[in-house]
Amino acid sequence: EAGVTQFPSHSVIEKGQTVTLRCDPISGHDNLYWYRRVMGKEIKFLLHFVKESKQDESGMPNNRFLAERTGGTYSTLKVQPAELEDSGVYFCASSQLGSGSNSPLHFGNGTRLTVT
Amino acid sequence: QKEVEQNSGPLSVPEGAIASLNCTYSDRVSQSFFWYRQYSGKSPELIMSIYSNGDKEDGRFTAQLNKASQYVSLLIRDSQPSDSATYLCAVNPGKDFGNEKLTFGTGTRLTIIP
Repeated sequence: EAGVTQFPSHSVIEKGQTVTLRCDPISGHDNLYWYRRVMGKEIKFLLHFVKESKQDESGMPNNRFLAERTGGTYSTLKVQPAELEDSGVYFCASSQLGSGSNSPLHFGNGTRLTVT
Repeated sequence: QKEVEQNSGPLSVPEGAIASLNCTYSDRVSQSFFWYRQYSGKSPELIMSIYSNGDKEDGRFTAQLNKASQYVSLLIRDSQPSDSATYLCAVNPGKDFGNEKLTFGTGTRLTIIP
């Protein structure tokens, strides 16, 4: 079974540019999450999709961030325009519908974003 | 006060000894608690989940939960060099069971000394 894959693994962009991160969840996983870890801080929740619907986007920092999951498969997270404070590691995770230990979160390796 | 607090370490433990990792949380109504292991540059990997007070054992790992003290710990018995990693404590805030919206601690870096 292929795990959660994220692309790119690294991205270096200049302030003001646009970057799009992609996440391919494990096949059949309806739950998809985006998390972010800023340097020296804890991993923080950004948003949660159930299939193609946004279940919870309370963690999105501001309207420069746009997440989509058209068709309920892969998801993209666009940052436009990027700011210096957006630098960090963006993790995607997926799980089957359900809760608790029956549907553990599977994380991708993350995309390391550096805004200069 | 942080929602989930962990000692950042580094914590050094001799090979074969017991490693003890601790975590406290602030939301008293939380019901779901998780320990993730993360190797450098890799994805966090779930190693234990616990929902009830007491101990839960899985192989060399034991998770302990004390909701009255808002405290969750992870014990690793017979520590191996391959256990060297950062261990993340995560809590699902609120009353619901599950892992839909986790709050993480900053992690404890564990080093097992051969």
